[in-house]
Amino acid sequence: EDQVTQSPEALRLQEGESSSLNCSYTVSGLRGLFWYRQDPGKGPEFLFTLYSAGEEKEKERLKATLTKKESFLHITAPKPEDSATYLCAGTNFGNEKLTFGTGTRLTIIP
Amino acid sequence: EPEVTQTPSHQVTQMGQEVILRCVPISNHLYFYWYRQILGQKVEFLVSFYNNEISEKSEIFDDQFSVERPDGSNFTLKIRSTKLEDSAMYFCASTTTNPETQYFGPGTRLLVL
Repeated sequence: EDQVTQSPEALRLQEGESSSLNCSYTVSGLRGLFWYRQDPGKGPEFLFTLYSAGEEKEKERLKATLTKKESFLHITAPKPEDSATYLCAGTNFGNEKLTFGTGTRLTIIP
Repeated sequence: EPEVTQTPSHQVTQMGQEVILRCVPISNHLYFYWYRQILGQKVEFLVSFYNNEISEKSEIFDDQFSVERPDGSNFTLKIRSTKLEDSAMYFCASTTTNPETQYFGPGTRLLVL
């Protein structure tokens, strides 16, 4: 069964303190790895799609990387507005659905 | 920028009642999805829809659930006889092709009393 596991569950950082969020997956035949941001009571907002090991994508203070077994979301010099839950999801060659992890709740303290 | 929209944003219903949740996917998208998120839990896949038929469904999507694309723009999820455990946020998503990025709507919060 496909599984996506995220760690840590929650992370509190001071403004400007860089860190990384982890997503490990056991999606057989990974076809795509997706990162989303979710604010409370809202829908997931797309951040990045990664397709192959070694791939990296960047947007503002965020950078996503992918290896054969895990993905990292690096956040550099975060600001309070980066506070949200970050979701990782995978899809495989056998189906169309996204399998989500439980997310990392990130809080940036001014 | 095109967005997926969903109505209503909140729905309160009595157990056993039928509800219809509505979605307008992004206009040039071809694949449509419903997901749900029970409070405090992960986002779970319900069903995918392509070319006017269900292409995949999860074990959650039993006979109480149905989907329809009644016209060229709307995509609906019907729950025939709601149960307490159907209380959740329901998200619609769409994409141009699979496995391209799925774009999510803001969700409908369903509360079954």
